[in-house]
Amino acid sequence: GENVEQHPSTLSVQEGDSAVIKCTYSDSASNYFPWYKQELGKRPQLIIDIRSNVGEKKDQRIAVTLNKTAKHFSLHITETQPEDSAVYFCAASGGSQGNLIFGKGTKLSVKP
Amino acid sequence: DAGITQSPRHKVTETGTPVTLRCHQTENHRYMYWYRQDPGHGLRLIHYSYGVKDTDKGEVSDGYSVSRSKTEDFLLTLESATSSQTSVYFCAISESKGRAEQYFGPGTRLTVT
Repeated sequence: GENVEQHPSTLSVQEGDSAVIKCTYSDSASNYFPWYKQELGKRPQLIIDIRSNVGEKKDQRIAVTLNKTAKHFSLHITETQPEDSAVYFCAASGGSQGNLIFGKGTKLSVKP
Repeated sequence: DAGITQSPRHKVTETGTPVTLRCHQTENHRYMYWYRQDPGHGLRLIHYSYGVKDTDKGEVSDGYSVSRSKTEDFLLTLESATSSQTSVYFCAISESKGRAEQYFGPGTRLTVT
C-alpha cells in the first residue's frame, strides 16, 4: 500500500526566513497531495493541495511543488510569521482504496 | 469550519468498557472518516463510509466498529476499550474520495484507564 514519509519532524526558523517541508510517497498511482496545518489543540485544516497534472501551485506565502518522477512533493513557506507555528501534515491519495495516507507531521516553530 | 460536530469532546473510561463516539455533519457529504491521532504517528485511518450502511476498513481497524444509518451520522464503537486506544479521534467528511478536501471535526480526546 501507499507509504508517506515526511521530513523533518521538527523545524525551527527565525521570523522572516523560509521553511521547507518534504514528503515522499511510494504509490505511483497517487494523484492528490494535500497539506494540512494543525495548531495546538485544534483540528487539521487544509492550507494547499496539488494534483498530479500540476508541478507547482502557489497561494500567497505558501507554495507546493510536485515531482512525480521522483515521487516527492514539498511545502514552501516564505516570510514566515509566528502564526505559522503549527504542525504540518502532508498526505497522498493512493493504495487500492484511494484513501488519504498522512505523513507523521512536522512541528514548525517560528521564533520572533 | 464545515458543519461537523463530534461528541463527546472528552471521555475517560475504564479498560473493558464499550465506548461510542459520534460524528454529525450538516454538509450532506457522502464520505465520512474516522482517524486516530497519536504522537509520532500522524493521522491514521480507522474506518470510512461511502454512503448509508456502506463502510470499509482503514489501516488500523482492529478493535473498532462503525455504523452509518443516516447520511449525517457516523458512529465509532470500541467494543471493549483498551489502554492502547487512548488517543485523539477525528472525524472527517468529503464530497468525493481521494481527490477532494477533507474537513475535520473538532476531535474527541479519549483516555482509557
